[in-house]
This record gives sequence, structure tokens and C-alpha cells, in this order.
Amino acid sequence: EDKVVQSPLSLVVHEGDTVTLNCSYEVTNFRSLLWYKQEKKAPTFLFMLTSSGIEKKSGRLSSILDKKELSSILNITATQTGDSAIYLCAVRRNSGYALNFGKGTSLLVTP
Amino acid sequence: SQTIHQWPATLVQPVGSPLSLECTVEGTSNPNLYWYRQAAGRGLQLLFYSVGIGQISSEVPQNLSASRPQDRQFILSSKKLLLSDSGFYLCAWSPQGHSYNEQFFGPGTRLTVL
Repeated sequence: EDKVVQSPLSLVVHEGDTVTLNCSYEVTNFRSLLWYKQEKKAPTFLFMLTSSGIEKKSGRLSSILDKKELSSILNITATQTGDSAIYLCAVRRNSGYALNFGKGTSLLVTP
Repeated sequence: SQTIHQWPATLVQPVGSPLSLECTVEGTSNPNLYWYRQAAGRGLQLLFYSVGIGQISSEVPQNLSASRPQDRQFILSSKKLLLSDSGFYLCAWSPQGHSYNEQFFGPGTRLTVL
């Protein structure tokens, strides 16, 4: 059975801090890893990673995949209160349509 | 641009009552459609997906069923709700074809079964 484990489960930081969220996975026939941000309702797509060692970047957010270690990290620099959300990691196999999600990391950024 | 709608936004139902949640997608044709549930303390769990009208695949055995009567409409149903059906139900879509991996989520329906 596929497993996706995110850590930490929750995190509280001050504005301006840098945070690193972790995602490790065990999946047969891995295709891609995706990061989503969930504020109050719908998860919104952040990044999709398929190749090891290549960083994806969008503003203050960046992510990288390590296929050898079966893991990914999501970095947020100079955090703002608007970054407060649950960050979800999901993996997809080469076959099938399912995204297998981790339980998420709840991030709270305080002023 | 594509948009995805879900209704209702919130629902409180007694145990044993029926359920019907609706999801519609605009701005695209022949999408793949998905129903997920997010229960407290658990990750998003895929319940059903559909690659076309009338084509439904179930990922986990459960008290729920899904139907796709039209290309851009996906319905989640139950004949008799259980307490364990409480949760946040999310509909998602993705473009046809395996080359597209991103799934785009609707606003969700929060279901409480009492």
C-alpha cells in the first residue's frame, strides 16, 4: 500500500521566519509528487515534481524532489501571515488516476 | 477559464437519511472527475473517479456511490448515511489524458451526520 508521510504535523512560526516542510513516500512505480496549499476550503496547486534534484520555485516558495531518498521538501522564506494554511503533499503512480495524499502540515504564521 | 462548483457548501443530516452532493465543471470538455473525502485527522482520500459519462471507478468500499449523468456533472450519493460519513467532501477535475497530473479542486461540502 502506498504511503505518504508529512512532517511536522503542525508548526507555528513568526513572520519573517523560513520554514521547511517535509514529505516522504513509499509508492510503487512513482510518477510525480505534488504540493497543494489548503487555506479554508479547496486545496490550490503549488508544484508538481517529477525529476530528482530540480528545484521548482514560485516567489518565496520552492520545492525539490529527492528520488533516491524518496522525499521532497517545501521551503517558504520570509513567511507572512497569509502563508498560514495546511500544506498537502500527494504522489501519483505511473498507472491509475489517484493522487495519494499525506495528512498535511498545518502552518501558522504569527505577526 | 475553468471553474468547478460544488453544492451545498454545508450540510447537516441525520443518520439513515439519503445524500446527494453535486459537482459541476465549466470551461472544459471531457474532464476526468474525482470525489475525495477529508476526515478529521486524516489525509484526503480518493473515493471515486470518472473518465467519462457513465464510467465510475471506486477506490474504496463504502456506503457511498457516484454517478456521472453528464460530461461535466459528478454526483455523490448515499441511500442511508452513517456517522462515519461525516467529513469534508471535495470534487476535483483534471484534463483528459495521463500527461496531465494536476487536479484542481472545488470549494468542498462539509457534511456532518448526527
